[in-house]
Amino acid sequence: KAGVTQTPRYLIKTRGQQVTLSCSPISGHRSVSWYQQTPGQGLQFLFEYFSETQRNKGNFPGRFSGRQFSNSRSEMNVSTLELGDSALYLCASSFGPGAYEQYFGPGTRLTVT
Amino acid sequence: GENVEQHPSTLSVQEGDSAVIKCTYSDSASNYFPWYKQELGKRPQLIIDIRSNVGEKKDQRIAVTLNKTAKHFSLHITETQPEDSAVYFCAASNAGGTSYGKLTFGQGTILTVHP
Repeated sequence: KAGVTQTPRYLIKTRGQQVTLSCSPISGHRSVSWYQQTPGQGLQFLFEYFSETQRNKGNFPGRFSGRQFSNSRSEMNVSTLELGDSALYLCASSFGPGAYEQYFGPGTRLTVT
Repeated sequence: GENVEQHPSTLSVQEGDSAVIKCTYSDSASNYFPWYKQELGKRPQLIIDIRSNVGEKKDQRIAVTLNKTAKHFSLHITETQPEDSAVYFCAASNAGGTSYGKLTFGQGTILTVHP
């Protein structure tokens, strides 16, 4: 099976702009979780979607949002970008509704200037 | 919410030695504990996991032990090789319960295996 894919892999944006990142889970996986990885804060949970429903959200401002489509692909959006949003954004997919066996994509490296 | 502490932050061993990384968690409802390996510039890779109904799990040179009473779990790597050099993350979750897909990660351990 093909692994989790994310597009784009790299992105450079300016403060105040918005960005949309995409994640395609492993075929058959219905749960997609998003994480932000930074050197200072490590891996932090953003939100999780299962069957097009957001079931859990981490402690991030409302500028961070997401959605999931009927084919389980997911997008996350960050509006009004800040310098501190520079990070590696990882998505992970799993088969069922729990947090078991999450497989990560390669990530999108977002740089905000 | 859940809090996961991971130690040590860096670990340096000689090839062939064993390496042990320890994590403690705070939420007694957590029941799923995966370990991830992340090489430089690569995605985190699930290398082993354990559920709360099991005390130990082994896969070739790696093993994980869980002590639910003390709320800690450990990763053991035997006969280390240079290719084991990476950052290792532990995580905890109330999988199938209220976590809904959320893994809480430790801060990571940089393992360096010297040839």
